[in-house]
Amino acid sequence: DAGVIQSPRHEVTEMGQEVTLRCKPISGHNSLFWYRQTMMRGLELLIYFNNNVPIDDSGMPEDRFSAKMPNASFSTLKIQPSEPRDSAVYFCASSRGGQGNQPQHFGDGTRLSIL
Amino acid sequence: AQTVTQSQPEMSVQEAETVTLSCTYDTSENNYYLFWYKQPPSRQMILVIRQEAYKQQNATENRFSVNFQKAAKSFSLKISDSQLGDTAMYFCAFLGTSGTYKYIFGTGTRLKVLA
Repeated sequence: DAGVIQSPRHEVTEMGQEVTLRCKPISGHNSLFWYRQTMMRGLELLIYFNNNVPIDDSGMPEDRFSAKMPNASFSTLKIQPSEPRDSAVYFCASSRGGQGNQPQHFGDGTRLSIL
Repeated sequence: AQTVTQSQPEMSVQEAETVTLSCTYDTSENNYYLFWYKQPPSRQMILVIRQEAYKQQNATENRFSVNFQKAAKSFSLKISDSQLGDTAMYFCAFLGTSGTYKYIFGTGTRLKVLA
């Protein structure tokens, strides 16, 4: 089975630009999670989808961040406009169902640098 | 609210020795799940082991085992016969079952295995 696939692996862009991060969950998984990891704040859950529907977006830092899941095999996290403080590693994870006995499987992450 | 505490920011161990990473948590739930994830320098988040709170038997995965003390709300990870490839950040995570599917992560323990 292919794991969770994220792209790009690295992104460097200038402040004010739009950034789009992409995620393909594991086939058959119907829960998808976006996380942000920084040294200062550790791992933070940004948003959680179940069956393509956003269930909890309380972790999204502000209106500049938006996430979509148009179908079961694709999700995007968009930042517009980007700011230097958005620099972090962004992870996507998926799991089978919303049950705790099904662990989350993480992608390799996107390292985002905003100059 | 649930919290997860990893009180050891950094640890080191000699190759082939045994090391124990500590994790404590706080919750009012009776049933929940606990996980240890490993994040090597390649930054992948890899599931190491999981424990279901209603199971008294401690989980084991090859050289990795846990000491789950439900009353004490403690969930430590023991790595036996440490290998250089075990060098990584280790995160403890809690997942409740009362309607939310958010992982609560600890701040991590950086483990270095010395040759």
